Amino acid sequence: KAGVTQTPRYLIKTRGQQVTLSCSPISGHRSVSWYQQTPGQGLQFLFEYFSETQRNKGNFPGRFSGRQFSNSRSEMNVSTLELGDSALYLCASSLGIGPVTEAFFGQGTRLTVV
Amino acid sequence: AQTVTQSQPEMSVQEAETVTLSCTYDTSESDYYLFWYKQPPSRQMILVIRQEAYKQQNATENRFSVNFQKAAKSFSLKISDSQLGDAAMYFCAYRSYGQGGSEKLVFGKGTKLTVNP
Repeated sequence: KAGVTQTPRYLIKTRGQQVTLSCSPISGHRSVSWYQQTPGQGLQFLFEYFSETQRNKGNFPGRFSGRQFSNSRSEMNVSTLELGDSALYLCASSLGIGPVTEAFFGQGTRLTVV
Repeated sequence: AQTVTQSQPEMSVQEAETVTLSCTYDTSESDYYLFWYKQPPSRQMILVIRQEAYKQQNATENRFSVNFQKAAKSFSLKISDSQLGDAAMYFCAYRSYGQGGSEKLVFGKGTKLTVNP
């Protein structure tokens, strides 16, 4: 069974540009969550989607947005990039239903803003 | 809001020895889940062990076990017979029970574990 796939693995962008990151969850999983990982702030929750609906949102500015498609694949978009957006962006997928469902993580997208 | 604190930024252990990583958390909820995740240099987060707050029995997975003290809001991870492959960043994480089924995890800042041969 294929794991969580994140593309691209690495990305370099210039300040002011926008970027789109993609996450393909494990087949059958309906929940996708996104996290930003930086040395200073650690792992911070961005948002979560379940069956194409945003179920939860972290404390990030409106420049960060996401969506989920009918096949559960998810994208996150960051507009007007800032240097501080440089981070590892992790995606996690899970079944999304039931009391405890294990979250499986992708290998992340390393975004560098210059 | 829930918070998770890992007070040991770095730890080291000799191969085959035992090491304990500390984690404390703050919550007003009575039902929740706690997890330990491992992140090796490959960056992929891997679930090591999980604990349901309503279970008094400490979870165990092979060489990994936890000491869950609900009243003290403490959740430490013990790694027995440490192996070189255990070297990684270890993150403690909290998840609410319920909340419309949200899967949101709150992470600690992590502990970097070095295993010396």
